[in-house]
Amino acid sequence: AQTVTQSQPEMSVQEAETVTLSCTYDTSESDYYLFWYKQPPSRQMILVIRQEAYKQQNATENRFSVNFQKAAKSFSLKISDSQLGDAAMYFCAYRSGTGTASKLTFGTGTRLQVTL
Amino acid sequence: DAGVTQSPTHLIKTRGQQVTLRCSPKSGHDTVSWYQQALGQGPQFIFQYYEEEERQRGNFPDRFSGHQFPNYSSELNVNALLLGDSALYLCASSLVGITMNTEAFFGQGTRLTVV
Repeated sequence: AQTVTQSQPEMSVQEAETVTLSCTYDTSESDYYLFWYKQPPSRQMILVIRQEAYKQQNATENRFSVNFQKAAKSFSLKISDSQLGDAAMYFCAYRSGTGTASKLTFGTGTRLQVTL
Repeated sequence: DAGVTQSPTHLIKTRGQQVTLRCSPKSGHDTVSWYQQALGQGPQFIFQYYEEEERQRGNFPDRFSGHQFPNYSSELNVNALLLGDSALYLCASSLVGITMNTEAFFGQGTRLTVV
């Protein structure tokens, strides 16, 4: 079974600074997807960024980027130029299979605080 | 374009009762998955419905059951409620059969409190 581990329960960053959230995972599969989701107080999970395991290039979405180390099974999220609206719970998630096997396995989350 | 909608948003039930939660998927999506998120934890996969059948199930007892309707909407039923069933229940929809690259869209969840 796949597992996802987030070892940082809480992180804090000053506005406009950069912060990195860590995630490791365990799997025996070679083809899979990794995700970072943001969950603000509104509770809705919002997809931040996605990485396909077969792609060597790290994914980037505006101020968000990942450092994907497949051999080390590490998938960290870097948030640049942090904004107050970035404050939320961040979850790392793993997905394997296709179609109907596309369940998500989540980590326990990292609460990000953004200070002035 | 309406996203994933869940109802009700909040619910309080007594131990031993039964509850039904509802989910309407994002337009164009055909697969619905349900997750339980306990306070301070990440979501845990309950089960997934596609073509009106349960396709995959997580480590949840038979007290948790579901249904998918021809219009792709879904219900989650929990019988004989326990205090430990108190959680945020999230519904996610996706599209099956195109590529692996279909992302899941989540609703805002139903907060269930069992007293």
